[in-house]
Amino acid sequence: DAKTTQPTSMDCAEGRAANLPCNHSTISGNEYVYWYRQIHSQGPQYIIHGLKNNETNEMASLIITEDRKSSTLILPHATLRDTAVYYCMHTLGGGADGLTFGKGTHLIIQP
Amino acid sequence: DTAVSQTPKYLVTQMGNDKSIKCEQNLGHDTMYWYKQDSKKFLKIMFSYNNKELIINETVPNRFSPKSPDKAHLNLHINSLELGDSAVYFCASSQFSGRPGGEQYFGPGTRLTVT
Repeated sequence: DAKTTQPTSMDCAEGRAANLPCNHSTISGNEYVYWYRQIHSQGPQYIIHGLKNNETNEMASLIITEDRKSSTLILPHATLRDTAVYYCMHTLGGGADGLTFGKGTHLIIQP
Repeated sequence: DTAVSQTPKYLVTQMGNDKSIKCEQNLGHDTMYWYKQDSKKFLKIMFSYNNKELIINETVPNRFSPKSPDKAHLNLHINSLELGDSAVYFCASSQFSGRPGGEQYFGPGTRLTVT
């Protein structure tokens, strides 16, 4: 069963920042927060992960609250190609553990 | 170059048949996975192999048998196919680093339809 809570769907205007929230209140101290997305009919794509500090890469930024019970994925300038289902999860990662995907957030970028 | 590739992309077969799906990764990773995505779009881990050894088997029926001939390949063989096996199957790979932080790379998926 998924251990995270995300909104079912969100809309965002093209060119604006898309902020996707995730609650992960059962996260343990050594688990990372991971974000993946799945564009229609494709395999999931890794976006970013973090432990405590905020992280940024070429795709997105990840803001993790101080108590680590929630996080926000930020796509700074959303494009139509960012329309996808976004999954948040927490896992030790780096090992042979599979990922537990929840229902995710269907982000729709509006032109 | 494709990082994680799967063949075939589409597979249509009848109940009771046996079929295989192949997966190859050229990322030099030592851990590979099979996931199943059903019609409701839930994505679930089925198996995980690390250095050709089975690490995870998530209560998958024994009609499903993964085989890893080497670190770059993980094949999935399915015996006596049933209607409920219809789904999209994704292969993935990652590098086991012994510490948290490894991301997974997914293949394009194989859409299996059992009639």
